[in-house]
Amino acid sequence: DIQMTQSPSSLSASVGDRVTITCRASQSISSYLNWYQQKPGKAPKLLIYAASSLQSGVPSRFSGSGSGTDFTLTISSLQPEDFATYFCQQSDSPPITFGQGTRLEIK
Amino acid sequence: EVQLVESGGVVVQPGGSLRLSCAASGFTFDDYTMHWVRQAPGKGLEWVSLISWDGDSTYYADSVKGRFTISRDNSKNSLYLQMNSLRTEDTALYYCAKDIGSSGWLYYFDYWGQGTLVTVSS
Repeated sequence: DIQMTQSPSSLSASVGDRVTITCRASQSISSYLNWYQQKPGKAPKLLIYAASSLQSGVPSRFSGSGSGTDFTLTISSLQPEDFATYFCQQSDSPPITFGQGTRLEIK
Repeated sequence: EVQLVESGGVVVQPGGSLRLSCAASGFTFDDYTMHWVRQAPGKGLEWVSLISWDGDSTYYADSVKGRFTISRDNSKNSLYLQMNSLRTEDTALYYCAKDIGSSGWLYYFDYWGQGTLVTVSS
């Protein structure tokens, strides 16, 4: 199985900050990497697919990059509604696996 | 508007059985692979199973293989998860999720339901 490791596990930041979350795969997954945002009590929401493609309706302050084993999600200027938990997910092959999540908190 | 509505979650004893359902609307159900993903309380996301658009192909996480069975009824726009030999570690919110790929699978999810809670406890 492909293991996905996110860092950091939690992060404190302020509105307006630029934030980067990292995800590493245990083996190469090309660009088969997706990012989700989850707010408390809600289902996850797809933000980025295929490592760098922005899902329809997602603000352009979100961006993704990387290929192979190392990926990043960047939020260019944090907004109040961005404080949530973020998960990466590999879609190279089943079993589909997620990172453990990064909780983004208000400083 | 795409809607996925799960049901069937209850409190069940270890060793028991349960069937979850997911009612889909707002898209051509039989064009899409569907998934179950679960989330234990306060924990991360764990993919459980998928079924192809035609029901011919299924995959399972090792943690549920041999105990859970995924199925679908395209005439009813419904997805199911039969859960047998339940364990305390199966306690979670179970989401159904739509694969983004049409007539295939891309193994990621553009729509999710709100989840149904399964609690395995004596």
